[in-house]
Amino acid sequence: DIQMTQSPSTLSAFVGDRLTITCRASQTVHSWLAWHHQKPGKAPKVLIYRVTTLQSGVPSRFSGSGSGTEFTLTISSLQPDDFGTYYCQQYKSYPWTFGQGTMVEIK
Amino acid sequence: QLQLQESGPGLVKPSETLSLTCSVFGGSITTNTYYWGWVRQPPGKGLEWIGTFSYNGTTFFNPSLQSRVTLSGDTSRNQLSLRLGSVTASDTAIYYCAIVLRQRWLRRDYYYVDVWGRGTTVTVSS
Repeated sequence: DIQMTQSPSTLSAFVGDRLTITCRASQTVHSWLAWHHQKPGKAPKVLIYRVTTLQSGVPSRFSGSGSGTEFTLTISSLQPDDFGTYYCQQYKSYPWTFGQGTMVEIK
Repeated sequence: QLQLQESGPGLVKPSETLSLTCSVFGGSITTNTYYWGWVRQPPGKGLEWIGTFSYNGTTFFNPSLQSRVTLSGDTSRNQLSLRLGSVTASDTAIYYCAIVLRQRWLRRDYYYVDVWGRGTTVTVSS
């Protein structure tokens, strides 16, 4: 199985800050990587797929980059609604695997 | 737009079979465009993929669960079904169904989550 490792595990920032979350794969996933956002007690929502493609309705302050084994999710200007946990997920091969999550808190 | 709603018994006894349904609204489960995924999340933990199913016969399972999982669909009710046998406490989780789409690249298919359902909580306990 491909292992996905995110860093940091938790992140605390002010509204307006620029945030970057890193996701590393144990082997190449090429560009078959997605990011999901989950608020406490809610289902996840898809933010980005194929590394850079924003899901419909996702604000443009979110962006993704990377290829191969290293990827980043960037929030250009953190908003109050962005709290919660972010997960990367590879879909290059089965079984699909997720990172352990990065919890974002608003200061 | 397609919407999903999972439902299930809430509480299942150890060694029994867990049965969940996912009702699909706004589209047919037999549409070639759509595939259907199941993912679960134990309390306070991360996400674990269970399997992906489509009516054209394409089905993929997580090897860690494959021997206990059955995925199917009921066209008369436009519902998807997940059955997980011989459950233990470690199967306690929120179970999500998801709409999965396909991308074709260099003669190979890649499947990714498009929309998540709301999830249903299952507790395994006697």
